[in-house]
Amino acid sequence: TQLLEQSPQFLSIQEGENLTVYCNSSSVFSSLQWYRQEPGEGPVLLVTVVTGGEVKKLKRLTFQFGDARKDSSLHITAAQPGDTGLYLCAHRGGNQFYFGTGTSLTVIP
Amino acid sequence: KAGVTQTPRYLIKTRGQQVTLSCSPISGHRSVSWYQQTPGQGLQFLFEYFSETQRNKGNFPGRFSGRQFSNSRSEMNVSTLELGDSALYLCASKVEAGGITDTQYFGPGTRLTVL
Repeated sequence: TQLLEQSPQFLSIQEGENLTVYCNSSSVFSSLQWYRQEPGEGPVLLVTVVTGGEVKKLKRLTFQFGDARKDSSLHITAAQPGDTGLYLCAHRGGNQFYFGTGTSLTVIP
Repeated sequence: KAGVTQTPRYLIKTRGQQVTLSCSPISGHRSVSWYQQTPGQGLQFLFEYFSETQRNKGNFPGRFSGRQFSNSRSEMNVSTLELGDSALYLCASKVEAGGITDTQYFGPGTRLTVL
């Protein structure tokens, strides 16, 4: 098992604030995925990063894959209540996906 | 295109009973994976089926089993339920192109409560 540690575990912020969540490991990955899971639903894939140092933007969300491909970050600009959810990073090992511990984000209106 | 569907959405059982959960993948998807999600352990892989064969299995006891039918629909079964089996059980399907950027699509899950 290649452990993915996410931080912070919980985050509660006001609407309009910026935030960054992290996904770290001691292992090198060929790719990392980020998911968001809303209450009562399954996770939904947001992005896959493949190249070390890669930066991908999805509206107000910016994803970065570390140069050494061991870590990744997700930055949200001007958070909105609709961003509330559990953010999970994951990697594929063989035919299996391994998920991180998750960051639970609450955006207060 | 319809998404991944899971039935039932909620289930309450007592210790010692068994339960069967069902998953219908997105049309054309041949791979179905099952996950258990709990607050303490997070999202953990149970097993994956592809073309009616179990291709991969996580670190769960033999009480957890599954199968896949010729139409790619899948079921998982948990026998002799324990309190610790209370969890959200998620099913995910993917096309199975074999690349590192394979996208898996999750269903809404079945919330199992064991009393």
